[in-house]
Amino acid sequence: AQSVAQPEDQVNVAEGNPLTVKCTYSVSGNPYLFWYVQYPNRGLQFLLKYITGDNLVKGSYGFEAEFNKSQTSFHLKKPSALVSDSALYFCAVRGPTGNMLTFGGGTRLMVKP
Amino acid sequence: NAGVTQTPKFQVLKTGQSMTLQCAQDMNHEYMSWYRQDPGMGLRLIHYSVGAGITDQGEVPNGYNVSRSTTEDFPLRLLSAAPSQTSVYFCASSWDRDSYEQYFGPGTRLTVT
Repeated sequence: AQSVAQPEDQVNVAEGNPLTVKCTYSVSGNPYLFWYVQYPNRGLQFLLKYITGDNLVKGSYGFEAEFNKSQTSFHLKKPSALVSDSALYFCAVRGPTGNMLTFGGGTRLMVKP
Repeated sequence: NAGVTQTPKFQVLKTGQSMTLQCAQDMNHEYMSWYRQDPGMGLRLIHYSVGAGITDQGEVPNGYNVSRSTTEDFPLRLLSAAPSQTSVYFCASSWDRDSYEQYFGPGTRLTVT
């Protein structure tokens, strides 16, 4: 069975500082990895994905994520956080042949001015 | 395009009542899915469909039925609501199973008393 772990319920960071939201996964075969963001009372929005190729993936709103196969991790990063980045972030994984996307429990990012 | 729409936005049911959550998309997407979101548990897949006339169970299908008579619509039916089904429900769609970006609706907040 595939699974995703987001070990931090909440991450606090000051505006302008770099941020990291952690994600580790378990899946059979090569993983398809995703990050989604959810703003209050809204559905999820796609941020970025890793399918194959370069381990550093760039996405929307200045976010990027680094795929590390040996550590089975896919951490979300941003060099300089904005207050408007405050939201709930979800990591998700899918196997190469599966139909189902499995989400982590979510990490709330709080960026303080 | 309206994208993915869901109705109603809010619903309160009594235990044992039935209802249908509506989901529609106008992007001609083949793949549609239903998730429920519970605090700390991320999103869990209830049912999905890879095309009209084809549906399959996800991670937590018990207590829910779906059908897919058209490409556009993917309703979720609760036959006999239970308090454990109190949750926020999201519908999502994508071009096909191998499309990497899912588009989410705004969600339906359901309370079962």
